[in-house]
Amino acid sequence: AQKITQTQPGMFVQEKEAVTLDCTYDTSDQSYGLFWYKQPSSGEMIFLIYQGSYDEQNATEGRYSLNFQKARKSANLVISASQLGDSAMYFCAMREDMYSGGGADGLTFGKGTHLIIQP
Amino acid sequence: EAGVTQFPSHSVIEKGQTVTLRCDPISGHDNLYWYRRVMGKEIKFLLHFVKESKQDESGMPNNRFLAERTGGTYSTLKVQPAELEDSGVYFCASSHLMGGKANEQFFGPGTRLTVL
Repeated sequence: AQKITQTQPGMFVQEKEAVTLDCTYDTSDQSYGLFWYKQPSSGEMIFLIYQGSYDEQNATEGRYSLNFQKARKSANLVISASQLGDSAMYFCAMREDMYSGGGADGLTFGKGTHLIIQP
Repeated sequence: EAGVTQFPSHSVIEKGQTVTLRCDPISGHDNLYWYRRVMGKEIKFLLHFVKESKQDESGMPNNRFLAERTGGTYSTLKVQPAELEDSGVYFCASSHLMGGKANEQFFGPGTRLTVL
């Protein structure tokens, strides 16, 4: 069974510092995808970044990068130069069977990390 | 392009009553998903539609929950009769049928359901 673990319920970080949000996962599948979503206080879930299990390079999207360590089954999100607007809940999620032409199954989520950026 | 919309944003009902949640996916998205987050727990997958067909409903808690997607456009999720443990935030998400590498799901703002 799939499982996502986020061990940091909350984090306080000074503005402009880099932030690493931890995520470990458990799956018996070889073909899977890892996602990070941001949920600000307004409630909507915003897709940030994706990493496929067969991708050799770590994914990057602007200030977001994903530190993918396949052997350790970890997919940590790194936010560089944090900003006040980064304060939000962050969810790590996984979906199996990404490469069979489907990749449209439901996501498995972690409990989330509440990140607060302090000025 | 309009995002995923959900109605209502909040609903407060009494145990035993019926509630119907609605989700309008992004136009052209054939995949539609329902998720639920109970306070303090993970966001849990409930079910997945491809157009009007239920592809996977393995996450539906019990037969008090009924989801429909007539015509393959908007979807409704009905809870009848509601119980206290049904309280939580219900999210809807949509994606293209074959949407590229990530085929990310786009989420709505959620409906917060409180059962008293």
